Amino acid sequence: RKEVEQDPGPFNVPEGATVAFNCTYSNSASQSFFWYRQDCRKEPKLLMSVYSSGNEDGRFTAQLNRASQYISLLIRDSKLSDSATYLCAVNIGNYGQNFVFGPGTRLSVLP
Amino acid sequence: DADVTQTPRNRITKTGKRIMLECSQTKGHDRMYWYRQDPGLGLRLIYYSFDVKDINKGEISDGYSVSRQAQAKFSLSLESAIPNQTALYFCATSDPRSKISTDTQYFGPGTRLTVL
Repeated sequence: RKEVEQDPGPFNVPEGATVAFNCTYSNSASQSFFWYRQDCRKEPKLLMSVYSSGNEDGRFTAQLNRASQYISLLIRDSKLSDSATYLCAVNIGNYGQNFVFGPGTRLSVLP
Repeated sequence: DADVTQTPRNRITKTGKRIMLECSQTKGHDRMYWYRQDPGLGLRLIYYSFDVKDINKGEISDGYSVSRQAQAKFSLSLESAIPNQTALYFCATSDPRSKISTDTQYFGPGTRLTVL
């Protein structure tokens, strides 16, 4: 089983829709969690960290479920500019070399 | 100006050639990383360095070597390139003192390498 798994998609949604992605991780010792956004042929960029209590940044909401070992990303009122691949990342320890990235979920927001 | 830069941005080479990819950063971070990205496989760590005197192998270091010339520079070499090293290569930096989270990764723009 891969350490971090995501539904590859693609998710094709109309503008204004709400879309949710899940990411599961296998190592229960994982300590910190992130969502990155990656545009085609570009570098991943940090979208948001995921906190135990859940956190929101504008139209984006991230949640962590430690018991079931998954994190989620909810995007409300989707915009065309949200089209990208969303990578989840899990830091198993306190050091950067323990970052494990999921393969990404591709989102296409359609007009 | 970008905080993390990579050169070249694109490179096509032939099997058996030696290739060097370079990474520079102005973020002042001590920690630097090299990843490769392949479709469907996500990002995989090749090598990482926590300071100038520290070099460590990552998940897939075979066929690669690195050099940390300075705090701001970290280069990746393919001693004898082979076609399955065709991939998108990213350099990243992190700062363990970050207020966002320990060792959040910040990526350079990537180098697209094709080995024929």
